[in-house]
Parts: sequence; structure tokens; C-alpha cells
Amino acid sequence: EVQLVESGGGLVQPGGSLRLSCVVSGFNVSGNFLTWVRQAPGKGPEWVSVIYGGGSAYYADSVKGRFTISRDTSKNTVYLQMNSLRAEDTAVYYCARDLGSANYYYYGMSVWGQGTTVTVSS
Amino acid sequence: EIVMTQSPATLSVSPGERATLSCRASQSVNSNLAWYQQKPGQAPRLLIYGASTRATGIPARFSGSGSGTEFTLTISSLQSEDFAVYYCQQFNNWPPLYTFGQGTKLEIK
Repeated sequence: EVQLVESGGGLVQPGGSLRLSCVVSGFNVSGNFLTWVRQAPGKGPEWVSVIYGGGSAYYADSVKGRFTISRDTSKNTVYLQMNSLRAEDTAVYYCARDLGSANYYYYGMSVWGQGTTVTVSS
Repeated sequence: EIVMTQSPATLSVSPGERATLSCRASQSVNSNLAWYQQKPGQAPRLLIYGASTRATGIPARFSGSGSGTEFTLTISSLQSEDFAVYYCQQFNNWPPLYTFGQGTKLEIK
């Protein structure tokens, strides 16, 4: 069964750090695109970061330079290291399997985890 | 940056009726478009990819159409479980960038 399980959220002060984990089962992280998407209370989803099968990583401008996506293939897990956190980073963070695009035909984010909540507040 | 605009923000429809949701891109995204359904307390669920292909397990009453900048999600005969928020999302190949619309809340009339 394909499953993604996030953990690591919590309450952190502005300027602090957190590391989120996404444990994947049912497929290998090394051959797939894994994304982080967040959703602030009452708002729509916002893409945060993606790591491609080859290991290339990309970020939304809002988190570039503060967040780092990585993976451990031996644990089949993807991480999101979040530094210099701000109040506006408060959200539910989801990881999702992205099936990518070919010839301008996008296959979508097919499987999502249940999310982990990050609250940045003093 | 490509901006995705969904309309209307809220749509009130009676069960059994048809619902039509719109999504407009600020520039062409070809068929790099997906639709998601989200219910309270749940993660988004992929409904449509490639602008018009139903994802695995999605009922045939859901259909997507459009290409370029104008897209539509149609639910042909609304069931009680279809009342939710719907998001469109585009993918830009290079540099990789994903953008969601602000959502359409489909509520019971």
C-alpha cells in the first residue's frame, strides 16, 4: 500500500527551526518526485519544495534560503529542514508524491500524507 | 509567476444538479493542470490530471476540460459527498513551480 506519514511539527518561536519527516511506503523515494505543500489556516494549499528522483531540489521563493529538502533512501524518508521560521510559516505541512510532467501533460500529486502542523508563535 | 484564478469563490448547488467550476491561468499552462478535492480536516485528493483525465478511483461524474488558460471542472450530478472545496493547480516545467488556485467552495443549496 502506498502511504506517506509526516511527523515533526509543533510549536516553535519565531527564528527557530524544525525538521519535518515524511516516511514513505509502497514506492522508493529515489525514483520519484516528492513535494512539500503547506496550507495556512483557512487558506488554499501553497507549494513549498520538491525533490526529484535524481536528487535535484527546488523551492518556492517564500522559503528559499531558509528551508532545505533532503532524503534518506535507506530509510525511504524525505525531510524538510525549516530554519529562521516566521509567523507566516504557520500551516499544516503535507508531503505528496508528484507524478511529474511529460510533453506539457501534468500527472498531478497522486498521494498525500495526513499532514503535520507547524505553529510559529512566541 | 503564473497566477491561477478560480471562480466562483462559493457555488451553491442542489444535490442531483450539475456544478461547473472554472479556473483561469494568467498565461498558458498547456495541459499542465490538475484538480483536487479537499474536505475539512483532510488532505487534498487528486481528481483530474492532464486537465481532463480522471485519477484512479474517481467517479465518472467528475470531468475536466480545457487547455492553455481556461479550464473547467464539471460534476454532472452532485452527490452529498461531493460538497467540498476544489482547487486547480498548475505545474511549470522550468523552473519547477507549482501554483494552486484559491479554491471554490461547493456548498449545498
